[in-house]
Amino acid sequence: DQQVKQNSPSLSVQEGRISILNCDYTNSMFDYFLWYKKYPAEGPTFLISISSIKDKNEDGRFTVFLNKSAKHLSLHIVPSQPGDSAVYFCAASLWGGQNFVFGPGTRLSVLP
Amino acid sequence: EPEVTQTPSHQVTQMGQEVILRCVPISNHLYFYWYRQILGQKVEFLVSFYNNEISEKSEIFDDQFSVERPDGSNFTLKIRSTKLEDSAMYFCASSGTGQKNSYTFGSGTRLTVV
Repeated sequence: DQQVKQNSPSLSVQEGRISILNCDYTNSMFDYFLWYKKYPAEGPTFLISISSIKDKNEDGRFTVFLNKSAKHLSLHIVPSQPGDSAVYFCAASLWGGQNFVFGPGTRLSVLP
Repeated sequence: EPEVTQTPSHQVTQMGQEVILRCVPISNHLYFYWYRQILGQKVEFLVSFYNNEISEKSEIFDDQFSVERPDGSNFTLKIRSTKLEDSAMYFCASSGTGQKNSYTFGSGTRLTVV
């Protein structure tokens, strides 16, 4: 049951360049989306979120774009820094629900 | 910065034994959650807890699982009779408002069932 998909298991980007992490979902009832970052031996850390009434949300170097018709969202990190190297999880939630459906994650490596 | 603390960081148990995973949520938080991640797989929701009762649970959270808030600070997950497939990283999370962008996760307990 792959309701949330992250088709790229890994991504390598040069420091200073843009990192683009993609996420697709199948359930059109999802109305809230989040990105989490996870370092080894730590729990997921909230990064940025977007509700279905918006198509873009920006926080510093991080921007999330939502395309509802395509059931696709993406996380842009500009400029990428070596400290951004981590596993990034996309997560989705139904309206009123308290739990998230996570994607399998994308491992980002930012090369100095 | 306030943290969610989980103990132990790693627990090894024999199949069929009971385990209790412990979590100390952030002190003024009211909403509590357990998630798990089997090695190589995605993070999965188990249960949410508010006002001393389960508010939502997944299909994974069957009768062998239970949660408890035995006092004002701890939040525990009990697995009554562990199976090999229960081996996973278990994450506790808490939230002050229940807003979905406000969850704080602990660093997890790695449970290994042998």
